[in-house]
Amino acid sequence: AQSVTQLGSHVSVSEGALVLLRCNYSSSVPPYLFWYVQYPNQGLQLLLKYTSAATLVKGINGFEAEFKKSETSFHLTKPSAHMSDAAEYFCAVSSVEYGNKLVFGAGTILRVKS
Amino acid sequence: NAGVTQTPKFQVLKTGQSMTLQCAQDMNHEYMSWYRQDPGMGLRLIHYSVGAGITDQGEVPNGYNVSRSTTEDFPLRLLSAAPSQTSVYFCASSLSGPMNTEAFFGQGTRLTVV
Repeated sequence: AQSVTQLGSHVSVSEGALVLLRCNYSSSVPPYLFWYVQYPNQGLQLLLKYTSAATLVKGINGFEAEFKKSETSFHLTKPSAHMSDAAEYFCAVSSVEYGNKLVFGAGTILRVKS
Repeated sequence: NAGVTQTPKFQVLKTGQSMTLQCAQDMNHEYMSWYRQDPGMGLRLIHYSVGAGITDQGEVPNGYNVSRSTTEDFPLRLLSAAPSQTSVYFCASSLSGPMNTEAFFGQGTRLTVV
């Protein structure tokens, strides 16, 4: 089974619209969950992480994500998209089940239309 | 601080050639890792290290070697390059492992094997 599934390889939103990027994970033990962003021709940088504290996690640039154990989901949202949000977004999971490894989803490319 | 530094940024190899991708970090991080990024596949772990002198295989280790003689450096060696190794390679480091600490990524090395 896929460890991390990101629904939608491409998402397009209008500037000012809600951004919703979906992530579902697989882990039989409590997971650590991350969202990373990659701007063109750059490395990845951390947006936010869930480490078993509050289920609603706030990150940089106005992004947030909610951990829902019953749905095994960790969707990323932002109320109002900005042109500068155009990038590729990766969900990642780590847990005791995965050992010393961080497992990434396939990524979602976000396009923001003016 | 420079963070994670990868060299070279671009490389073209002929099939069968060998080369070493360099990765250095100046944050005194114990954990370092190498990923390859291919379209639609996210980042896949090649090798990782939990400290100097200790390395282990990730998801796609075949055709690659690593060593960790110092905390700072984690080079990736391609033994005999193949076109299937055409990819973007990222080195990452984190303080103590991926379970609840942020991974810092280099800018990447874009490798083409012809």
